[in-house]
Amino acid sequence: NFVLTQPHSVSESPGRTITISCTRSSGTIASNYVQWYQQRPGSSPTTVIYENNQRPSGVPDRFSGSIDTSSNSASLTISGLKTEDEAAYYCHSYDGAIWIFGGGTKLTVL
Amino acid sequence: EAQLVESGGGLIQPGGSLGLSCAAPEFTVNTNYMSWVRQAPGKGLEWVSVNYNGDNTYYGDSVKGRFTTSRDYSKNTLYLQMNSLRADDTAVYYCVLGREMVGTTIPYWGQGTLVTVSS
Repeated sequence: NFVLTQPHSVSESPGRTITISCTRSSGTIASNYVQWYQQRPGSSPTTVIYENNQRPSGVPDRFSGSIDTSSNSASLTISGLKTEDEAAYYCHSYDGAIWIFGGGTKLTVL
Repeated sequence: EAQLVESGGGLIQPGGSLGLSCAAPEFTVNTNYMSWVRQAPGKGLEWVSVNYNGDNTYYGDSVKGRFTTSRDYSKNTLYLQMNSLRADDTAVYYCVLGREMVGTTIPYWGQGTLVTVSS
């Protein structure tokens, strides 16, 4: 199975834009959909992006997802950062029927 | 927002068995999959198992042969039977449901149930 690698932590100031990467170790990033989940401290995860770039209703359009075949990675971009965006973010994809999660990225908004 | 309700967690001794359930009464149609994902204290997300529509069920390597996932379609409820439990199975267990909407599938997460394996 492939591995999804995320930075352990990132930080940025309120109002700025941050991009979190998720790099696939083998195979093509475009072969399987990528999802992104937000997990605030003490809460269960919620979906902020599904199928690479789709946003569930209720998720602000400050959140966007993309894939880049040249770097074989997916990205989650959050613009206009707010303190409420401080959370762990996990990418997720599939290897056939098997689910693969990235290790998670802790976003600090300070 | 529609809810998934997990139950069955608790304290269990190593080597014991425990069953979890996840009820999704509002998702009676258009469910593409139901899955279990766990999170050990202070750690990231780890996939446990997934049941796709039909009887196609798959397991993560760390639980294969010890855990069994089943699904009652009439009740839209997912079950996880955990046997031969070990200390490293201690985690919050989340249920995830994939709801089909207009040709796409959106994952919905439950609130989780804590399983503690300890003597």
